[in-house]
Amino acid sequence: DQQVKQNSPSLSVQEGRISILNCDYTNSMFDYFLWYKKYPAEGPTFLISISSIKDKNEDGRFTVFLNKSAKHLSLHIVPSQPGDSAVYFCAASVSNFGNEKLTFGTGTRLTIIP
Amino acid sequence: DGGITQSPKYLFRKEGQNVTLSCEQNLNHDAMYWYRQDPGQGLRLIYYSQIVNDFQKGDIAEGYSVSREKKESFPLTVTSAQKNPTAFYLCASTTGRGGYTFGSGTRLTVV
Repeated sequence: DQQVKQNSPSLSVQEGRISILNCDYTNSMFDYFLWYKKYPAEGPTFLISISSIKDKNEDGRFTVFLNKSAKHLSLHIVPSQPGDSAVYFCAASVSNFGNEKLTFGTGTRLTIIP
Repeated sequence: DGGITQSPKYLFRKEGQNVTLSCEQNLNHDAMYWYRQDPGQGLRLIYYSQIVNDFQKGDIAEGYSVSREKKESFPLTVTSAQKNPTAFYLCASTTGRGGYTFGSGTRLTVV
């Protein structure tokens, strides 16, 4: 049972344009969401997060949007740069007063075309 | 600099052998995790530990074992009972909300 889904395994975007990565979840108990970026043969690195009490969080070129009623979140990268080419994982957790387990999606491979 | 060190980076295992993957952190994090990455399957949780001398099974614990004798260390043993061990293994730690720090991973291949 895949509780966090990323339905697009890959995405190609022209440099300078907006990249939009999508994520859907089924567990209504999830209340914290994160995006991680991963290069081949490396560990994921944290990008941006959002709590369920918000619907938007912005950090530089990265913005995450959360639609709780649709159980959907998205990551917007603008403008897209060649260094953004990587696999992006969406993750979610349930409040557990710290040390929560993260449930990850299957990832979306983003390729930025120069 | 604080971080998580996984070793070795590449590991080859013969059929029927047990192998142990090392994970050490100097971040003073209480919780540590082991994930497995397979193509098209994302990261799946194998085992996790929220405190020394305690650990819990994740979603795919069969064929694996762990120990947590020290706060800094969380080794993972891939036993011969794991039928499909070839994968990329990631260790992570956290002290709280979302702040996972990952190691650089170990690629295990059965030969």
